[in-house]
Amino acid sequence: DIQMTQSPSALSASVGDRVIITCRASQSISNYLNWYQQKPGKAPKLLIYAASSLQSGVPSRFSGSGSGTDFTLTISILQREDFATYYCQQSYSTPLTFGGGTKVEIK
Amino acid sequence: EVRLVESGGGLIQPGGSLRLSCAASGFTVSTNYMSWVRQAPGKGLEWVSTFYSDGSTYYADSVKGRFTISRDNSKNTLSLQMNSLRAEDTAVYYCARTTMTTVPIWGQGTLVTVSA
Repeated sequence: DIQMTQSPSALSASVGDRVIITCRASQSISNYLNWYQQKPGKAPKLLIYAASSLQSGVPSRFSGSGSGTDFTLTISILQREDFATYYCQQSYSTPLTFGGGTKVEIK
Repeated sequence: EVRLVESGGGLIQPGGSLRLSCAASGFTVSTNYMSWVRQAPGKGLEWVSTFYSDGSTYYADSVKGRFTISRDNSKNTLSLQMNSLRAEDTAVYYCARTTMTTVPIWGQGTLVTVSA
């Protein structure tokens, strides 16, 4: 199984900050990496697919990069509505696996 | 509109059975990889099962032998038959399109609670 290691597990940030979340795969997954945002009581919302493609309707302050084993999700200017938990997920092979999540909290 | 809608969740006693359904619109289930993913209360996301377009199926070790994934091409639906349910199966279950080369689509989820 491919292990996905996400860091940090939590961070405190202020509105306007730049936030970077990293995800590392235990083996190469090419660009088969998706990023999700989840708010309490809601389904995960797709932000980025194929490592760097912005899902339709998602603000351009979200961006993804990386390939192989190392990936990043960047929020360029944090907004109040961005406080949530973020997950990475590899779709390269079964079983699909997820990072442990990063909770972005208000400082 | 491309959409997935799950149904069938509820409260069930340990050892009981439940069948979840997922109705797809805007795309064809049979030509995609379709998966079930669950999230226990306060926990992260956990893959449960995948039905590939070639008909092959895969299961997490934690549900193997108890859960069965299936699809109905005529109704464009995906299902998950869950037997011998345990307290640790309590979770929100999400249906998702997980084909590698397409944009992922997730449903809104359905809650399964296993409790006496």
